[in-house]
Amino acid sequence: AQTVTQSQPEMSVQEAETVTLSCTYDTSESDYYLFWYKQPPSRQMILVIRQEAYKQQNATENRFSVNFQKAAKSFSLKISDSQLGDAAMYFCAYRSADAGGTSYGKLTFGQGTILTVHP
Amino acid sequence: DTGVSQNPRHKITKRGQNVTFRCDPISEHNRLYWYRQTLGQGPEFLTYFQNEAQLEKSRLLSDRFSAERPKGSFSTLEIQRTEQGDSAMYLCASSSTGDNEKLFFGSGTQLSVL
Repeated sequence: AQTVTQSQPEMSVQEAETVTLSCTYDTSESDYYLFWYKQPPSRQMILVIRQEAYKQQNATENRFSVNFQKAAKSFSLKISDSQLGDAAMYFCAYRSADAGGTSYGKLTFGQGTILTVHP
Repeated sequence: DTGVSQNPRHKITKRGQNVTFRCDPISEHNRLYWYRQTLGQGPEFLTYFQNEAQLEKSRLLSDRFSAERPKGSFSTLEIQRTEQGDSAMYLCASSSTGDNEKLFFGSGTQLSVL
């Protein structure tokens, strides 16, 4: 079974600064997807960024980028130019890419990191 | 389309009562997922449907839990004989075949069992 670990329960950053959230995972699969989701106080999970394991290039979405280290099973999220609206709980998640497997479509989430942005 | 809709937003019930939650996915999405999230934790997978077929159920889904998706549209999650340990937020998500890595979540139903 896959596991996802976020070792930082809380992080804080000053507005306009950069912050990095850590995530490690454990799997025996070679092909999978990794995600970062944001959950603001409104509770709705919002997809921030995703990474396909077979791609060596790190994904980037505007101010959000990842550092994907497949051998180390590490998947960190970097938020540049932090904004007050970035304050939320952030979850790292794993999903198998095996379309024939029973876990297809199922996300395994980490415990989350609460991000506070100071003005 | 306004996204994934869940009702009710909050539900307070007494231990032993039955409760039912509803999820309306994005209309063109054929896959629907239920997750449970307890305070301070990440969501845990409960079950998912492709159209009307329930394809996988987690071991977390005890016999007191049942989910349906008649006609492959909306879904209901029923908990019978609720226990205090059932208190959690129940999240629904949907996706479309061919783009399954993009799950769209609803705002959840917060259940409190007294």
